[in-house]
Amino acid sequence: QKEVEQDPGPLSVPEGAIVSLNCTYSNSAFQYFMWYRQYSRKGPELLMYTYSSGNKEDGRFTAQVDKSSKYISLFIRDSQPSDSATYLCAMGGMGSGGSNYKLTFGKGTLLTVNP
Amino acid sequence: NAGVMQNPRHLVRRRGQEARLRCSPMKGHSHVYWYRQLPEEGLKFMVYLQKENIIDESGMPKERFSAEFPKEGPSILRIQQVVRGDSAAYFCASRGGINQPQHFGDGTRLSIL
Repeated sequence: QKEVEQDPGPLSVPEGAIVSLNCTYSNSAFQYFMWYRQYSRKGPELLMYTYSSGNKEDGRFTAQVDKSSKYISLFIRDSQPSDSATYLCAMGGMGSGGSNYKLTFGKGTLLTVNP
Repeated sequence: NAGVMQNPRHLVRRRGQEARLRCSPMKGHSHVYWYRQLPEEGLKFMVYLQKENIIDESGMPKERFSAEFPKEGPSILRIQQVVRGDSAAYFCASRGGINQPQHFGDGTRLSIL
């Protein structure tokens, strides 16, 4: 079983739709959960970052973490064509040094928002 | 722009040559990570460095690959005697203090002829 599973899509939605993106994980040591957006030929851009269970909202984006189910989600409200990109979930845990963590990524979900 | 800077953006090498990839972290960041993204694969961790120290290199191939983050200057990922399988996008990320997220550069796309 892979440490992080993410449906690669592709996912195609009309403009204005609510988008739901999800990842599951198997490693209980993960404490930090992130969503990155990656446009073609660019680097990952941090969208959301949390280290606790529950919801976190930022504008049109809501990140949800359920540690008991090992499941995280990203919701995009009122989706726009400019949201078309690959969305990556990423997770990290504390290393033995206390402050070092390396991220484990999902493979990414390709999202297209059609005008 | 105070983001993570990587250069070159594109690098072409012939088999057997050396590739040097550079990364300047965000201002004030002293933690640097290197990741590799192969076609159809997710980002894979390679190495984590702080100034003058390699903290975790568990994702680095045992041979031909090395990384450094000197006291002065950028972090360098060095690949010796490159092979076709080294063709990938290499991303650098940096972070500030504890519990802070990693921010990525736009990567170096390495092509091996």
